[in-house]
Amino acid sequence: EAGVAQSPRYKIIEKRQSVAFWCNPISGHATLYWYQQILGQGPKLLIQFQNNGVVDDSQLPKDRFSAERLKGVDSTLKIQPAKLEDSAVYLCASNPTPPTKRGASITGELFFGEGSRLTVL
Amino acid sequence: KQEVTQIPAALSVPEGENLVLNCSFTDSAIYNLQWFRQDPGKGLTSLLLIQSSQREQTSGRLNASLDKSSGRSTLYIAASQPGDSATYLCAVTNAGKSTFGDGTTLTVKP
Repeated sequence: EAGVAQSPRYKIIEKRQSVAFWCNPISGHATLYWYQQILGQGPKLLIQFQNNGVVDDSQLPKDRFSAERLKGVDSTLKIQPAKLEDSAVYLCASNPTPPTKRGASITGELFFGEGSRLTVL
Repeated sequence: KQEVTQIPAALSVPEGENLVLNCSFTDSAIYNLQWFRQDPGKGLTSLLLIQSSQREQTSGRLNASLDKSSGRSTLYIAASQPGDSATYLCAVTNAGKSTFGDGTTLTVKP
C-alpha cells in the first residue's frame, strides 16, 4: 500500500514570494491534515479536510495561507506572501476514519508523509 | 484546551539499556493516544496507537501504556539499540483533533 506522498521535499524562497505544496493521501482515506512543524517543536494543525470539505481551519493564517482539496483526494497548501517565520516543515497526514453522523470526525490512526521543508530567506 | 507535555526533552543512554519516555496531557477525555518516531529530516512514523478503552499496546521491543485518569502515557523501549536514536512524539486525540507534544530526542550510544 502506497503511503502519503508529498512534494516538493525541499523549497528555498525569498520572503514575500509564494510557494505551493502538494499532498496525495493514502487511497481511500477520507480525512486529510496539513501540519506545520517548526524545528524542535511538535506538529501544529493548520487545516483538516473531510473528503473535500473543511472541518477545521481555525489555526490557518488565512491572510497568507490557503489550502484546497478538490475532488476529495489530493490537496495543495499555498503560502503567499511568505514570511521568515514560515520556515518550517509542512507535513501532510491522512486517516481512513469517515465522519460521524453529526459531521464531526473521530480521528483514528494518523499516517504522515515525509514532509516538505521550507526555508524562507 | 488540550496540552501535551513530554519530559525530558532529550535523553542519552548506553546501548542495551531499558528506558521509559513520558507523555502527559491535561484533558483526560481522549479518543486515542498515538506514539510516533521521527528521524532527522523525515516525517512521522506511527509506532503504537492506544484507544481510550485500552491500557497498553505492545510491538516488538516497544510497550506503550495509558492511564487516562492521571493523564499519562509511557513508552517503554527494551534493550535499546543505536538504531533507536530518533525523536519520539506522542499525540493525543479528542473532539476530532490531535495535539502533539514537542517530543523527546533519544540518543543511544554504542
